[in-house]
Amino acid sequence: AQSVTQLDSQVPVFEEAPVELRCNYSSSVSVYLFWYVQYPNQGLQLLLKYLSGSTLVKGINGFEAEFNKSQTSFHLRKPSVHISDTAEYFCAVSESYGNSGYALNFGKGTSLLVTP
Amino acid sequence: ETGVTQTPRHLVMGMTNKKSLKCEQHLGHNAMYWYKQSAKKPLELMFVYSLEERVENNSVPSRFSPECPNSSHLFLHLHTLQPEDSALYLCASSQGGAGSYGYTFGSGTRLTVV
Repeated sequence: AQSVTQLDSQVPVFEEAPVELRCNYSSSVSVYLFWYVQYPNQGLQLLLKYLSGSTLVKGINGFEAEFNKSQTSFHLRKPSVHISDTAEYFCAVSESYGNSGYALNFGKGTSLLVTP
Repeated sequence: ETGVTQTPRHLVMGMTNKKSLKCEQHLGHNAMYWYKQSAKKPLELMFVYSLEERVENNSVPSRFSPECPNSSHLFLHLHTLQPEDSALYLCASSQGGAGSYGYTFGSGTRLTVV
């Protein structure tokens, strides 16, 4: 089974500072990778995804991620964070099920706390 | 509104009760999913419905029973639950194969078993 590891459970950062949330995946085949954000009492919202092509992927809210096949990583970055970026962030990898289905396997999440 | 609606938002039930969670999507997606989100644990995939094929995680207890009457609706029937089943239950839908489009999630049902 394909899986992801989010190396940091919590990341505190000051407002307007840069941030990197780390994600490593385990797979020997082609993968599709995703980052999701979850605000309190809400479901998950897609930030960005890597399917193929350029290894630098840009998403919503100023986030971007870089796919690194040699290091099996897909780290999420933002050059300057805002208080409103405080949330839980999940990395996910796609896995096939059955003849026509697929599902996402998620990491444990990283809690980003932005303070003034 | 995310396009995936879950009801109820909150549910408190006793261990002997029977209840159902409902999920509805009008995005034209052809796959739907149930996930369980517990504190300090990764999201656990419970069930997948894709093109009317059900694929389930073998570790899901039989007290959880999914139903997908059509491509727009998904239910999770609950009976004789345990306190450790208290969690946020998330529904998601998707379109396309191999994860190419990602998911659209509902806001979840917060379940408390007493």
